[in-house]
Amino acid sequence: KQEVTQIPAALSVPEGENLVLNCSFTDSAIYNLQWFRQDPGKGLTSLLLIQSSQREQTSGRLNASLDKSSGRSTLYIAASQPGDSATYLCAVLTGANNLFFGTGTRLTVIP
Amino acid sequence: DAGVTQSPTHLIKTRGQQVTLRCSPKSGHDTVSWYQQALGQGPQFIFQYYEEEERQRGNFPDRFSGHQFPNYSSELNVNALLLGDSALYLCASSYDKAYEQYFGPGTRLTVT
Repeated sequence: KQEVTQIPAALSVPEGENLVLNCSFTDSAIYNLQWFRQDPGKGLTSLLLIQSSQREQTSGRLNASLDKSSGRSTLYIAASQPGDSATYLCAVLTGANNLFFGTGTRLTVIP
Repeated sequence: DAGVTQSPTHLIKTRGQQVTLRCSPKSGHDTVSWYQQALGQGPQFIFQYYEEEERQRGNFPDRFSGHQFPNYSSELNVNALLLGDSALYLCASSYDKAYEQYFGPGTRLTVT
């Protein structure tokens, strides 16, 4: 059974710092991996999607990498801002077309 | 183009009652998946509907059932509500072969 783990569970950084969020998964037979952002009590906003054949994706200050063979992904956030404060969720899509999520990393960027 | 919509936004029910949540998929999408997110946890897959049939199901009891209509919209029904059913219920839609899911804003269910 696929299991997704995110480390750390919570992270607090000063504004302007670069940071890395980690995600690992146990079964490498995935179609893609997505990073989501979730504000308190709200739905999920898709940030980046990496297909299983890709190594990384970039959008603005965000860069996500995927190493399928080792079951790992990282989300790199450059020059963090207070508006980046949220919970970041990693999810992998299996061949059955359903997503397995990690428990998230709660990020606080301090002004 | 409207994205995925869900109704209602919030709902308060009593133990033992039944509830129906609704989801309209993004235009052009034919597949709807439902997820339950308990406080402090990641979303857990409940089931997925395609061509009006339940295509697959996660580890949830039969109290959780659903339906998909010819216009691809979907309902999630939960019978005999328990306190532990309190959660954010998320609907996601996708096009069957595209493998990217788009999420709605969720319905917050509180069971008292």
